[in-house]
Amino acid sequence: KQEVTQIPAALSVPEGENLVLNCSFTDSAIYNLQWFRQDPGKGLTSLLLIQSSQREQTSGRLNASLDKSSGRSTLYIAASQPGDSATYLCAAETSGSRLTFGEGTQLTVNP
Amino acid sequence: NAGVTQTPKFRVLKTGQSMTLLCAQDMNHEYMYWYRQDPGMGLRLIHYSVGEGTTAKGEVPDGYNVSRLKKQNFLLGLESAAPSQTSVYFCASSYHQGGNYGYTFGSGTRLTVV
Repeated sequence: KQEVTQIPAALSVPEGENLVLNCSFTDSAIYNLQWFRQDPGKGLTSLLLIQSSQREQTSGRLNASLDKSSGRSTLYIAASQPGDSATYLCAAETSGSRLTFGEGTQLTVNP
Repeated sequence: NAGVTQTPKFRVLKTGQSMTLLCAQDMNHEYMYWYRQDPGMGLRLIHYSVGEGTTAKGEVPDGYNVSRLKKQNFLLGLESAAPSQTSVYFCASSYHQGGNYGYTFGSGTRLTVV
């Protein structure tokens, strides 16, 4: 059974800081690894998807990396802004198009 | 584009009552999912469907039933609600075309069972 863990559970940083969110998974037989953003009381918004054959994906100030052999993914956020405050979830897709989610990292960026 | 629409957005049920949550998507996605989100436990898959007329159990299917009679709709039913089913329920749909994937989530249904 796939298990996904995210560290840290919560993170508070000053505006402008670069930061890294971590995600680990137990079963390396994944199709892809995805990062989502969730704002309070809202649904999930897809940020980045890294296919199993890829090492990283970038979108603006966000960069996600994937190391299948070690069962790890990181989400790097450059020059953080208060608008980045949200919960960030990673999810591993395994057979049958099923996503297994981590518990999330709650990020607060202080002005 | 509406994307994925969930109804209702909020509901309070008494123990033992039944209800159906409706999920509708207008993106012609083949795959649809129901998740529940509880504090400290992330999102857990309840049931999913890989196409019209198909359904499959996810991680936590007990106490729920689903139907996918039309491609655009995925219904989640609670036959006899229990307090343990108090949660936020999210529907999602996805496409998988070659190496391309895309997931879209609804805004959630907050269900309280008293």
